[in-house]
Amino acid sequence: EAQVTQNPRYLITVTGKKLTVTCSQNMNHEYMSWYRQDPGLGLRQIYYSMNVEVTDKGDVPEGYKVSRKEKRNFPLILESPSPNQTSLYFCASSSTGTEQFFGPGTRLTVL
Amino acid sequence: AQSVTQLDSQVPVFEEAPVELRCNYSSSVSVYLFWYVQYPNQGLQLLLKYLSGSTLVKGINGFEAEFNKSQTSFHLRKPSVHISDTAEYFCAVRPQSSNTGKLIFGQGTTLQVKP
Repeated sequence: EAQVTQNPRYLITVTGKKLTVTCSQNMNHEYMSWYRQDPGLGLRQIYYSMNVEVTDKGDVPEGYKVSRKEKRNFPLILESPSPNQTSLYFCASSSTGTEQFFGPGTRLTVL
Repeated sequence: AQSVTQLDSQVPVFEEAPVELRCNYSSSVSVYLFWYVQYPNQGLQLLLKYLSGSTLVKGINGFEAEFNKSQTSFHLRKPSVHISDTAEYFCAVRPQSSNTGKLIFGQGTTLQVKP
């Protein structure tokens, strides 16, 4: 089944404790993105990647890192999480940059 | 730059009634347009998209949307809603010339279908 998977689905952590949210797609897509969803703001892009070893900032990149060492994986790294990064995170992938396929989401709480 | 405005944050409607969710966008370049649905505790699922051609686009679950270039709108409609349509709906655009794949989303509209 074609899909985007994310892990973990739920995470509660404390300020400053490094964490990684994994994202994997099995559709051989070139494009992958990370978004965060906050009430009243919709989804905003954090980082994107157009292919292996090619990544760039989206609209809200501060406090996040990404890497794209393999085509299928695009982990999101929070080196020192803060409470304002409490949010719902979505990974997405696409082959043409038009229709994007979204993962199930990761709900992160930073205390 | 592009922006998307969904004019209603919440739309309550009775089952079997028609519904329209409004979406306006602003862009100086041509865009592709999308509607996504998010059911409770799930990810986003594509409802429909406008890339080119006929301005009336039909999607899944009986939804349709009409692209109006002069009014820069892409309103979503369904003639008769079901309880199962209760969800959050997002309108999004992407510049046709963009190679980043970035979608610009509206704030979302919560559709509440009442029995």
